[in-house]
Amino acid sequence: SSELTQDPAVSVALGQTVRITCQGDNLRNFFASWYQQKPGQAPVLVIFDKNSRPSGLPDRFSGSSSGNTASLTITGAQAEDEADYYCSSRDSSGNEWVFGGGTKLTVL
Amino acid sequence: EVQLVESGGGLVRPGGSRRLSCVGSGFSFSNYNMNWVRQAPGKGLEWVAYIGSGSGSIFYADSVKGRFTVSRDNAKNSLYLQMNSLRAEDTAVFYCTRQGLYCTGSTCSDALDIWGQGTMVTVSS
Repeated sequence: SSELTQDPAVSVALGQTVRITCQGDNLRNFFASWYQQKPGQAPVLVIFDKNSRPSGLPDRFSGSSSGNTASLTITGAQAEDEADYYCSSRDSSGNEWVFGGGTKLTVL
Repeated sequence: EVQLVESGGGLVRPGGSRRLSCVGSGFSFSNYNMNWVRQAPGKGLEWVAYIGSGSGSIFYADSVKGRFTVSRDNAKNSLYLQMNSLRAEDTAVFYCTRQGLYCTGSTCSDALDIWGQGTMVTVSS
């Protein structure tokens, strides 16, 4: 299997821009997807296919990728964006899913 | 409304068994590959198992291989996870997830686009 590495915690001032990153060798071959999880809730897909958003998701969420690093950017972070964010992609075999350890985002 | 609803969680003794179920609605269940993902208390997400739309492809995480069996019944829009030889470290919320395929031109990628609310499995004596 493969590993995806995320910073454990990131903070951002209300209304500012924050980038959450995810590193892993399999990201050279597979797009990352990003999931938001608020306390006591199930994860929700926020970014897929490198930079696509599910319908209804605010456009302040965007994704990008370069080499072995994928990024989730929140432009103008809101209080309701405070959550854990997980990246995920297929592993090197393409048969399994692997998740990053998650990044806890605090909006100050 | 597109949704997945899990059931079957509860308290299980170490070495015991449990069967989880997940029912999909609001979409053509038989057209989608499905996965189970779990989350231990206070921990991150861990992929558990994958099953193709026609049950022709099945894969497991090393941590559950030989103990867990994933299956589905498309006529009932249902996904299952049979868990045997349960251990304390299997204690987790188990989520049923739909694997959506997204294509732009000739490039396709997939993502776990729909998640159930989860069902808690506690393995303890």
